[in-house]
Amino acid sequence: EAGVAQSPRYKIIEKRQSVAFWCNPISGHATLYWYQQILGQGPKLLIQFQNNGVVDDSQLPKDRFSAERLKGVDSTLKIQPAKLEDSAVYLCASSLGRVSRGTQYFGPGTRLLVL
Amino acid sequence: AQRVTQPEKLLSVFKGAPVELKCNYSYSGSPELFWYVQYSRQRLQLLLRHISRESIKGFTADLNKGETSFHLKKPFAQEEDSAMYYCALLVGGYQKVTFGTGTKLQVIP
Repeated sequence: EAGVAQSPRYKIIEKRQSVAFWCNPISGHATLYWYQQILGQGPKLLIQFQNNGVVDDSQLPKDRFSAERLKGVDSTLKIQPAKLEDSAVYLCASSLGRVSRGTQYFGPGTRLLVL
Repeated sequence: AQRVTQPEKLLSVFKGAPVELKCNYSYSGSPELFWYVQYSRQRLQLLLRHISRESIKGFTADLNKGETSFHLKKPFAQEEDSAMYYCALLVGGYQKVTFGTGTKLQVIP
């Protein structure tokens, strides 16, 4: 089966610019996650979708980050405006939902560098 | 709030030596724990989970509720085990996973 797809793989922007990341989960996976992984740290959950509804966005910096999952499939994560501290790898993951019991499938990630 | 602690950033062992990657958690509910692994240039992937009580690639992990630990063990390290290992805790009905900071395992030939 095809895995989780993400694009772009790399992005370099200047601070105060905007950037958007795209994720296509595994077909049939109801749950989609966006994580931020700063160098030397573990993945930190930014937002979790169940189908097209948000179930957890408690760690999403809502003044600059936004995410949507239209039609319960693809998702985009946007940063506007970017700050230096947003430099990180942004991981998308998907799972079947409650039945998966924690088994998540990760994409390759988007490496963002903010200058 | 839940938390996962991996005290070692780097663990270096010789090939054939035993491996133990430490993981401690804090959570007031009934925990479900996992180990994820990321090999060089590959995606983060599930290695094993405690409810399955399985051995994957020779690795095992036992949940010790008394010590709130879920250490990952392998009796004889192999070079291909070199990777980043993340301990993770599942909470809540909506499958939120909290990850530790990771331990880099380096197996020396």
